[in-house]
Amino acid sequence: SAVISQKPSRDICQRGTSLTIQCQVDSQVTMMFWYRQQPGQSLTLIATANQGSEATYESGFVIDKFPISRPNLTFSTLTVSNMSPEDSSIYLCSVGGTGSEQFFGPGTRLTVL
Amino acid sequence: AQRVTQPEKLLSVFKGAPVELKCNYSYSGSPELFWYVQYSRQRLQLLLRHISRESIKGFTADLNKGETSFHLKKPFAQEEDSAMYYCALSGPRGSTLGRLYFGRGTQLTVWP
Repeated sequence: SAVISQKPSRDICQRGTSLTIQCQVDSQVTMMFWYRQQPGQSLTLIATANQGSEATYESGFVIDKFPISRPNLTFSTLTVSNMSPEDSSIYLCSVGGTGSEQFFGPGTRLTVL
Repeated sequence: AQRVTQPEKLLSVFKGAPVELKCNYSYSGSPELFWYVQYSRQRLQLLLRHISRESIKGFTADLNKGETSFHLKKPFAQEEDSAMYYCALSGPRGSTLGRLYFGRGTQLTVWP
């Protein structure tokens, strides 16, 4: 399985600011995914990011709020824009495996004051 | 619509007791089912996939298409099994762009 790292591991941000989360993979992967895990809740898919194409967002998530970049096959970023306390969450990136499984990064714990 | 239901948010057993974490799903087709586990302060990791029909750390899970269930079982729970367990579903490779649908998770606590 791929080795996935995320930066930052955690951050505390002020309302109205933006934070960019980086996801790095040690091998080339076609599909990368971004999830949100709010306190006490399950994982919710934000978007799918494939290299060379626009990210595909799930219902309830929009590009203006969560812009995503996928410049190459080993890297992606998710920006959480104009943050509010409701954006406090753990943000996870994942990559597809050889089948339908996914492998996850360690997550970024975001707190918005 | 795709849905994964884990009816128990919390589950506690004593060490050595059998444990079963329930998972039911709805999917119009032939899904792939997975169990993921998240130990304290660790990342989410793949535990089992139904197509492999494997036993990992003593855990097994059988896909029951008639009951649309994929329950996770272990005959003798250990304290180190204490973790959050998520059941997840995917459509066949290529059919749903690889996305996973997760249940809400079951926090398993194994008491000494």
